[in-house]
Amino acid sequence: ILNVEQSPQSLHVQEGDSTNFTCSFPSSNFYALHWYRWETAKSPEALFVMTLNGDEKKKGRISATLNTKEGYSYLYIKGSQPEDSATYLCAFDQGGKLIFGQGTELSVKP
Amino acid sequence: DSGVTQTPKHLITATGQRVTLRCSPRSGDLSVYWYQQSLDQGLQFLIQYYNGEERAKGNILERFSAQQFPDLHSELNLSSLELGDSALYFCASSVTTSAYNEQFFGPGTRLTVL
Repeated sequence: ILNVEQSPQSLHVQEGDSTNFTCSFPSSNFYALHWYRWETAKSPEALFVMTLNGDEKKKGRISATLNTKEGYSYLYIKGSQPEDSATYLCAFDQGGKLIFGQGTELSVKP
Repeated sequence: DSGVTQTPKHLITATGQRVTLRCSPRSGDLSVYWYQQSLDQGLQFLIQYYNGEERAKGNILERFSAQQFPDLHSELNLSSLELGDSALYFCASSVTTSAYNEQFFGPGTRLTVL
């Protein structure tokens, strides 16, 4: 059974704090790793699709890195804002079929 | 708004019944995916269609079936419903079936089985 693990399960930070979370996935048969942001009562929104070992992608204050050899990806948020509060999901791509982790629930207090 | 539409938004039905969930992909997307989010479970892949043909299957129950029509919309049929089928069902679409494509999620259908 393929396992995608995310940690921590939840995170509470103050506005302005920088934070990061981890996604661990199998290091074999790697195609791509996806990051999604999922706000309550909305649908998951794609952040990044990462494909190459050593990849680093950035969108505003959010960035992600990828290590396919050891099977992990980090998502960083710099200077968290209350609007960053959401669940952040990573998904291991098995040729189009996404295997999701349980997510990291981020709460940013003003 | 991702451009993926799903109907209905909410569905309440009884055990033993059959329901159909509908999804229209983004314009130009040929691939459709169905996912299930149950209580205490992460998003689980159910099935994928590409241009009308089934491409991949996940842990989809035999009571569930899906299809993609020539106009590329897709339907997920759930029959002999059980309490445990209560969940949020998402449809996603992408341009092709390739691993590197971003998948765009619809707003979901919340199914409640009483």
